Amino acid sequence: EPEVTQTPSHQVTQMGQEVILRCVPISNHLYFYWYRQILGQKVEFLVSFYNNEISEKSEIFDDQFSVERPDGSNFTLKIRSTKLEDSAMYFCASRMATEAFFGQGTRLTVV
Amino acid sequence: AQSVTQLGSHVSVSEGALVLLRCNYSSSVPPYLFWYVQYPNQGLQLLLKYTTGATLVKGINGFEAEFKKSETSFHLTKPSAHMSDAAEYFCAVIYGNTGFQKLVFGTGTRLLVSP
Repeated sequence: EPEVTQTPSHQVTQMGQEVILRCVPISNHLYFYWYRQILGQKVEFLVSFYNNEISEKSEIFDDQFSVERPDGSNFTLKIRSTKLEDSAMYFCASRMATEAFFGQGTRLTVV
Repeated sequence: AQSVTQLGSHVSVSEGALVLLRCNYSSSVPPYLFWYVQYPNQGLQLLLKYTTGATLVKGINGFEAEFKKSETSFHLTKPSAHMSDAAEYFCAVIYGNTGFQKLVFGTGTRLLVSP
């Protein structure tokens, strides 16, 4: 069964460092998303991506964040200068029709 | 604004008891509705979804949910809880059928199952 894969599963980084979270969506899907879940809290929308451009972003997705689909398969989320409050689980999702498929997430810990 | 409300951050039931997790949404257009389950330290797994057609939908692990337009609700039920059902459950909505519409999640309900 096709699935969304995310790497790494866990990343520890120092405050101020850049991180790149990677996702491989399901191959024939057209819509891609990043969500964030701070420990014990709700799943929050960050950004959606379609046709090689951002279609919508939340207020969380400020200038420190960027997304790319560099090679037609990978979908990356970059945080330029991490802050302590960026510590969270980050989920990638892809969608063709109504159902969104989620990856297992990357747990980002900023120290 | 699009919103999803899940009543009760925690629900406790005994094994074998009925499970009822509540979800209400706000919408002026027909919604697509979903329930996702998250086991500890894992990702989000789709339990069931409503898009069109029959308002009572059945999902995995014996769960079902009923879309009630008049009540703007999509409550999740299971007749008999099992210990393995202990997890976090999220109700989510997509509004309309425009391709890039995002999923909006509720705050989640943690289901606790006691022996």
